[in-house]
Amino acid sequence: EIVMTQSPATLSVSPGERATLSCRASQSVSSNLAWYQQKPGQAPRLLIYGASTRATGIPARFSGSGSGTEFTLTISSLQSEDFAVYYCQQYNNWPQVTFGQGTRLEIK
Amino acid sequence: EVQLVQSGAEVKKPGESLKISCKGSGYSFTSYWIGWVRQMPGKGLEWMGIIYPGDSDTRYSPSFQGQVTISADKSISTAYLQWSSLKASDTAMYYCARRWKHYPSYFDYWGQGTLVTVSS
Repeated sequence: EIVMTQSPATLSVSPGERATLSCRASQSVSSNLAWYQQKPGQAPRLLIYGASTRATGIPARFSGSGSGTEFTLTISSLQSEDFAVYYCQQYNNWPQVTFGQGTRLEIK
Repeated sequence: EVQLVQSGAEVKKPGESLKISCKGSGYSFTSYWIGWVRQMPGKGLEWMGIIYPGDSDTRYSPSFQGQVTISADKSISTAYLQWSSLKASDTAMYYCARRWKHYPSYFDYWGQGTLVTVSS
């Protein structure tokens, strides 16, 4: 099983600042990496797929990068609605998918 | 508009059986896999398994194989997740999500979740 490790577990950032979240895979997943946002009481929402492609309707302040085993989600200027938990997920190893344990983005 | 609408919250006792549902609309139900994801209270996301409603091809995560059964009825665009004998440790939120039929694919739309509470 491919293990996904996210860091940090919690990130405290002020509104308007940049947030950088990391995700590492235990073996290469090529670019088959997605990011999801989950707010309290809501289902996860797809933000990024293919490591760097924004999903429909996702603002340009969200960007993804990386390939192989190292990935990054960057939120360029945090808005109040961006404070949530973020999960990375690999989908390279069909049909298995595995999620990271999540990064909680909180207001500083 | 693509929608996955899940059945309502359930409260069950240990040992009881349960079947929850996920109804798709706004797209070709037989062109996408439907996956199930567990989220235990305060925890992260765990993939349980996936079904292709077109031919009922079903795959399970090793962690959930034998613990649950996934099925689908393409005539009513609905997928199911069922337990034959619930345990307290099955208490969780369960999400369905769709995934394009061709590799590689990710979950692009999610249901709203079904909360299952198992308590004596």
